[in-house]
Amino acid sequence: NAGVTQTPKFQVLKTGQSMTLQCAQDMNHNSMYWYRQDPGMGLRLIYYSASEGTTDKGEVPNGYNVSRLNKREFSLRLESAAPSQTSVYFCASSWERNEQFFGPGTRLTVL
Amino acid sequence: KQEVTQIPAALSVPEGENLVLNCSFTDSAIYNLQWFRQDPGKGLTSLLLIQSSQREQTSGRLNASLDKSSGRSTLYIAASQPGDSATYLCAVGNTGFQKLVFGTGTRLLVSP
Repeated sequence: NAGVTQTPKFQVLKTGQSMTLQCAQDMNHNSMYWYRQDPGMGLRLIYYSASEGTTDKGEVPNGYNVSRLNKREFSLRLESAAPSQTSVYFCASSWERNEQFFGPGTRLTVL
Repeated sequence: KQEVTQIPAALSVPEGENLVLNCSFTDSAIYNLQWFRQDPGKGLTSLLLIQSSQREQTSGRLNASLDKSSGRSTLYIAASQPGDSATYLCAVGNTGFQKLVFGTGTRLLVSP
């Protein structure tokens, strides 16, 4: 089992560019999450998907969109990147509201 | 709004010491509480999950306790080792919400 995988590991964008962060899990979890981690701010929830076909906003959803492609995959899209979106992005999954398992993260820099 | 605080922000101890990391939260209506470990530049590794109906959970040298009424959890690490050096994060899952609220972590350094 690979657990939760994320691609890419690193990315540098210019302001205004778009990109999609990919996340996949092989644990048959129904819930998936996107967090961002910033120094001094802790991890904050961007969006989550409680089950296939549903998505909901978290604490900091502005500037992001998500797609729950199927049970395994949950993507995060930045339509027009801004320097304030420079962060480390983590995807996580869980069965219902139980223990969450995290991916290795994507380190994004927006210039 | 749930707020989670971890004190101290950093802790340095010699190898072999038993130590306690603290986590406090403002809203006692929690569903569960999870402790994680994060190594520099890495993702989060789940250590222990405590359901709201439980008082403690143990895994090897780790023991986590939960006191909902006082809004506190502690992570006890026995016989610390240099390999325990990492940042430890506490996260609270509230009732009615499908999300975790994280503290900012305690950075632990265990010296040989």
